[in-house]
This record gives sequence, structure tokens and C-alpha cells, in this order.
Amino acid sequence: EAEVAQSPRYKITEKSQAVAFWCDPISGHATLYWYRQILGQGPELLVQFQDESVVDDSQLPKDRFSAERLKGVDSTLKIQPAELGDSAMYLCASGRTGSYGYTFGSGTRLTVV
Amino acid sequence: SQQGEEDPQALSIQEGENATMNCSYKTSINNLQWYRQNSGRGLVHLILIRSNEREKHSGRLRVTLDTSKKSSSLLITASRAADTASYFCAASNDYKLSFGAGTTVTVRA
Repeated sequence: EAEVAQSPRYKITEKSQAVAFWCDPISGHATLYWYRQILGQGPELLVQFQDESVVDDSQLPKDRFSAERLKGVDSTLKIQPAELGDSAMYLCASGRTGSYGYTFGSGTRLTVV
Repeated sequence: SQQGEEDPQALSIQEGENATMNCSYKTSINNLQWYRQNSGRGLVHLILIRSNEREKHSGRLRVTLDTSKKSSSLLITASRAADTASYFCAASNDYKLSFGAGTTVTVRA
């Protein structure tokens, strides 16, 4: 069964450093989401792509976060500089356009120290 | 901000019992989806119900949707230890997927 690949699986970084996460969605999936999930809470949407275009980044802290999806395939989420409050699980999901469920990757667990 | 709220926040049941959890959402939707998350892992899609549907079944799962009350429920019948996980509803509107805070289900052997 096709999977959404995310790397790294775990990341520990010092505050004020830069960190990047990578996501490779399922082939043919036009929609790609990045979510942040704090322990004990539900996922919160950071950015949504349709192909290579950003559809919604209203919840993305743009002073420190950036996201891109060049060529409408894989995607990178970057944080610079990282803050202690950024410690969370970062989840990527992809899906087809329309009323279908989405496939999530295993996530990247970020710890900022 | 999160779109939905689940109730209860936590649920502990005996193996073989049924588990019911509820979800309320705030805006109009195209569909409502339920996901399961095992500790420290990604989310797994369980079932999707469209806004024009009222009930849907998949194996041991039964989902209902009441758009007039902006609410949904997920029933897991004959629970197993492997059903221990967090369950999230997600409201979908124009392909934006907004999650609630989840219900943590513990199934005791």
C-alpha cells in the first residue's frame, strides 16, 4: 500500500537554529497538508497545497515558518529560528481532490532545547 | 483554532463492549472524517461520511451525521485491545480539513 514518506522521524535542535522537514506524498495526490500536533491535542493546520500552489497558510507563523512544494510533488517545511514552543509532532498528509480520506505520514517529532 | 470538539475526552471500556464518541463542528461541511492515532504515530483514516449521508458502516465502525445539529458520532462495536488509540473527527470544507481535540479510548483486556 502506498505511503506518505516523512523525514527525519525525530529531530532535536537548539533554539534559534534552523530545522527542515521533508514530505513525499503518494504519487498523483494533488492535495498536501502540513499539520502541527502538540502532545495531547488535535492536529492544527499549518499549510495546504493544491499541486504547487498554497491554498491556505493563514495559520502558518510566517515570520519563522516557510513551506514549499516545488513541481507539485514533495514538500519541505522549514523553521528558522526554532523556538522552545515549536516542540511538537509535524505531520504531512496527502490526498486526491474531492471527497476522499487523506493519508498521513508517520510524522517528525521535533524537540527544541 | 480547531473546528471540532470531541466528547468524551477519554473513555475506558472492557474488551467486547461498544465505544461511542461524539463530535461537534462549527461550520458547513462537504464531509466529515474520522481518524485513529496510535501513540506517537501518524493518523489513519477510518471512515468518511458525506454531508448528504446520515449513517455509514465499515466493519465494526458505525458513523452518524446530523448536519442540522452539526454533530457526528462514531461507534466501535465489540471493542478489542488493538482499538486502544486516540480518535479524531475532522470536518472538511472546500478541502480544508480541521480536526478536533480527540477522544482517547482505552480498551481493557
